Amino acid sequence: AQSVTQPDIHITVSEGASLELRCNYSYGATPYLFWYVQSPGQGLQLLLKYFSGDTLVQGIKGFEAEFKRSQSSFNLRKPSVHWSDAAEYFCAVGAMYNNNDMRFGAGTRLTVKP
Amino acid sequence: NAGVTQTPKFQVLKTGQSMTLQCAQDMNHNSMYWYRQDPGMGLRLIYYSASEGTTDKGEVPNGYNVSRLNKREFSLRLESAAPSQTSVYFCASSEVRGIAYEQYFGPGTRLTVT
Repeated sequence: AQSVTQPDIHITVSEGASLELRCNYSYGATPYLFWYVQSPGQGLQLLLKYFSGDTLVQGIKGFEAEFKRSQSSFNLRKPSVHWSDAAEYFCAVGAMYNNNDMRFGAGTRLTVKP
Repeated sequence: NAGVTQTPKFQVLKTGQSMTLQCAQDMNHNSMYWYRQDPGMGLRLIYYSASEGTTDKGEVPNGYNVSRLNKREFSLRLESAAPSQTSVYFCASSEVRGIAYEQYFGPGTRLTVT
């Protein structure tokens, strides 16, 4: 079965600084990859997803992620962080044509300093 | 269009009590899921239902039962609650469109078992 590792439990960045959240996956075939964001007390909202094609994926709220097959990574980036980006971020990996087996990472909590 | 709704939002149970968590979606999705979220562990799949009338175990099914009442509704039952079931529970739904899919999440139910 597929698995996901998010190496950073907690990251703090200053408002206006750039952000990169790391995600490494393990899967024997072509993965489907997702980033979700969870604000305090809320459910998960999809930021972006990768299924095929261009390895640089654009998402909502100014986020992007790059799929690197050779490194089994799908890191999330944002050029300039806003205070409202403070939240928990989850990377997830799914199987092709099987929407019933998605595995989530443990999450990275982002704190934004003023 | 409410998306995925869950009731209740909060619940406190005593050890040994039973309860049912309710979930409904209005997106006409075939697949529905129940996850639990624990600190440092991300989301783990309890049960899923690929279509009306079918249910399957996920990663952590012990102590839970589910019912797919109809296409819209998927309930999770704790027959005899234990402190280890203290968690935040999320319901989600999904549909495959071509090769693409994503899961849509409800706001969660925060359950405490004392």
